[in-house]
Amino acid sequence: GAGVSQSPSNKVTEKGKDVELRCDPISGHTALYWYRQSLGQGLEFLIYFQGNSAPDKSGLPSDRFSAERTGGSVSTLTIQRTQQEDSAVYLCASSFDRDREYEQYFGPGTRLTVT
Amino acid sequence: AQSVAQPEDQVNVAEGNPLTVKCTYSVSGNPYLFWYVQYPNRGLQFLLKYITGDNLVKGSYGFEAEFNKSQTSFHLKKPSALVSDSALYFCAVSGAGSYQLTFGKGTKLSVIP
Repeated sequence: GAGVSQSPSNKVTEKGKDVELRCDPISGHTALYWYRQSLGQGLEFLIYFQGNSAPDKSGLPSDRFSAERTGGSVSTLTIQRTQQEDSAVYLCASSFDRDREYEQYFGPGTRLTVT
Repeated sequence: AQSVAQPEDQVNVAEGNPLTVKCTYSVSGNPYLFWYVQYPNRGLQFLLKYITGDNLVKGSYGFEAEFNKSQTSFHLKKPSALVSDSALYFCAVSGAGSYQLTFGKGTKLSVIP
């Protein structure tokens, strides 16, 4: 079946511009996660959605970052007024349910470069 | 707070030799432990997990991992390395009452022909 898809695969933007990154989770998966992977670093948790519950935004690094999930499926991560330190690979993952026994399935990521 | 340590940034092993990628963790309660692999320019792929039961867990591509509660470790192993195993490996943990995964910084495995 189809896996997690993300678009665009690469995004180059100028400092100060806004960007939107999209994630399509695996059909039927109720939990959706966004992570940021910087060069040489591990994965940094950003935000988590579970069904219709309020998202866990505890990992968002600043108020320039926001995310939404429409209809319990597609999610968009928005970064406003981008800065060079926002350059990273943004990974989306989904899992069957939020219970911690379920493994997460990752998309290929969006590589964001802020010039 | 939960944490994961992967003490080796890089592991080099000759093709055909056994490989070990180390992982130690710190969580509250019983840990759920995962290994993921990332090939160049790809997302992470799930390899295996420990939830409960047998301490030796077998996963994809011939990999296995051993849960050691006393040493709080979950090392990844493979009896005979392949060049195609060269990739970045991440260990992750989730503690009791948490639905978040905490990842280690990753270990780059290079299998030398």
